[in-house]
Order: sequence, then structure tokens, then C-alpha cells
Amino acid sequence: AQKVTQAQTEISVVEKEDVTLDCVYETRDTTYYLFWYKQPPSGELVFLIRRNSFDEQNEISGRYSWNFQKSTSSFNFTITASQVVDSAVYFCALSEVATNKLIFGTGTLLAVQP
Amino acid sequence: NAGVTQTPKFQVLKTGQSMTLQCAQDMNHEYMSWYRQDPGMGLRLIHYSVGAGITDQGEVPNGYNVSRSTTEDFPLRLLSAAPSQTSVYFCASSPRQGALGDTEAFFGQGTRLTVV
Repeated sequence: AQKVTQAQTEISVVEKEDVTLDCVYETRDTTYYLFWYKQPPSGELVFLIRRNSFDEQNEISGRYSWNFQKSTSSFNFTITASQVVDSAVYFCALSEVATNKLIFGTGTLLAVQP
Repeated sequence: NAGVTQTPKFQVLKTGQSMTLQCAQDMNHEYMSWYRQDPGMGLRLIHYSVGAGITDQGEVPNGYNVSRSTTEDFPLRLLSAAPSQTSVYFCASSPRQGALGDTEAFFGQGTRLTVV
């Protein structure tokens, strides 16, 4: 079955701390995509990154980095030197090519305190 | 480029009333879907469509109907609203999921629905 687990419901850090958001997924498909989305307090959903199942290379974009490990079915997201503007709910999602369904985890609320 | 447009943004319904949430996209995307977002439960898939004339159920389809007569539009119908359907609803569209390349979903701004 297709499933995404974000075990961390809420995380609170102080500005400039590093923080890692965990994402574990389950799938029977060999071809799939993993995503991270950000939902700031204004409510819209903002796409952050996409990874396909054939590309385990880690990615860095400014203060954001992602670690994809198929061996542990994890796709973790790290924010370095967090800022107040990073405060949001972050969702991890999985899309299987076989089913065409995009399934989300329950999200992690990140609060960055000044 | 408007992207994904949802209407209305806010709606209050009485129990038993019916209504349609509208969703339109102008990106010629094949894949469209509806989600509901409830506290602590993330976004749950209600219905989705992989192209005009084709729809399928997601995780929580009961109480909702959809149709996809055109590529652009994917309305969500509440047949007889219940308080349990109070939620924020998001519509999304994306290119065909099976293609390698740009496959991220684009979301509308959401509809906040309250059923009293």
C-alpha cells in the first residue's frame, strides 16, 4: 500500500538552529516520485522539491537540503540556520506511477522562534 | 497564467444542502485531484482524474462526486452536506504522473467550507 509517515507532529527551534524533518514512505512500485511541500500560515501549498526513485543523489538548495535513502525508505529534509520565515507546515508526499495517486503525510508544523 | 483557480474561497452550508466546488486549470494538465485538509490529518485524497472522462476514488470519497468532461475543469460535488465535511478543500493539477520530468502538482488557493 502507498503510505507516507511524518512522525514529527510539531517541532520548535530557535532561529539559526538546524532542523531535520523526517519522512518515511511505503510503496510497492519501483517507479515513484517523492515531494516536499511547504504550507505557510497564509495557507497556500508551495512546491519545494521532487525526486524520482532512480535518483538517490542528495540535493542542496541554499539553506535547504534533502537526503533520499531507498534502503531506509526515507526522504528527509534539513533546514540549515533556520529563520522565522521558515515557520510553516511541511508535507512530504509520494506519487506512484502505477496508480497515478499523490498521497501526503500528515505534515510537520515547524515553529522557528526569534 | 492563472494556474489552478478554485471557487468559492469560503462557503457556509446547512446540513443537507448540496453544492459544487469549482476547479479550473489553464496549464493543459492531464492529472487533477481534490484533497481535504483537516487538523492533524494532512491532505487526504478525495477523488482524482487522469484525463477527461476518467475519474477514480481516493482515500475518502464518500459523500462526494466528481466528473471530468473537459481537461480544464474538475468540479467537486457535495451531495448532502454534513458537519463532518467541514474542512479546507484543495484542488491540484499536474502533468501525467507517469512521465519523467516535471510532475509536481500545482494547487489552488483552497476553499474553506463550514457545514452547520
